[in-house]
Amino acid sequence: ETGVTQSPTHLIKTRGQQVTLRCSSQSGHNTVSWYQQALGQGPQFIFQYYREEENGRGNFPPRFSGLQFPNYSSELNVNALELDDSALYLCASSRQGSRNEQYFGPGTRLTVT
Amino acid sequence: TQLLEQSPQFLSIQEGENLTVYCNSSSVFSSLQWYRQEPGEGPVLLVTVVTGGEVKKLKRLTFQFGDARKDSSLHITAAQPGDTGLYLCAVNSGGSNYKLTFGKGTLLTVNP
Repeated sequence: ETGVTQSPTHLIKTRGQQVTLRCSSQSGHNTVSWYQQALGQGPQFIFQYYREEENGRGNFPPRFSGLQFPNYSSELNVNALELDDSALYLCASSRQGSRNEQYFGPGTRLTVT
Repeated sequence: TQLLEQSPQFLSIQEGENLTVYCNSSSVFSSLQWYRQEPGEGPVLLVTVVTGGEVKKLKRLTFQFGDARKDSSLHITAAQPGDTGLYLCAVNSGGSNYKLTFGKGTLLTVNP
């Protein structure tokens, strides 16, 4: 067990709606990264937060946004949901300078209908 | 084009057999990581390899980083049903912001 928690576990939304996913990082970790994992694929990097600011972004549109809080927890927000947004959303926490060893939470399974 | 190509994509074997899965690229990396992901769970870090030619062992799992730091292999000896899962390799492709890029993974099933 990594100590990274995510909520909710599962979520079903309708196309066009908005969703917020939450992540609590492992104790001592100051960086949170979010990944999207479609069925049969490896995780794809969405963005990373460090010191409450976005610290790098993958190839995802602006309707994917995030926040990091002073306690290092984080939120992922997705607006105007599309069917292709159905995936497992993973949060990973790490400590800057730790050779990129990231520890993943169990994920949130989002289904868009 | 995938940065990391993993093979085979699927592997189904009997308990007790040995197996090797591969992670290949045309790029050179400063380090490479292997993760295992079980159904309904997030990936769990198994190992980080850093030096070309490096071999690391984790019980029945042996990880090797290629001499040129472009590829890696994972060998499992005497596989057990508990080894079943998706094996993913990943590299840091984002410079200082530590963005991980994953391969598509090898889905291993070990039958009792």
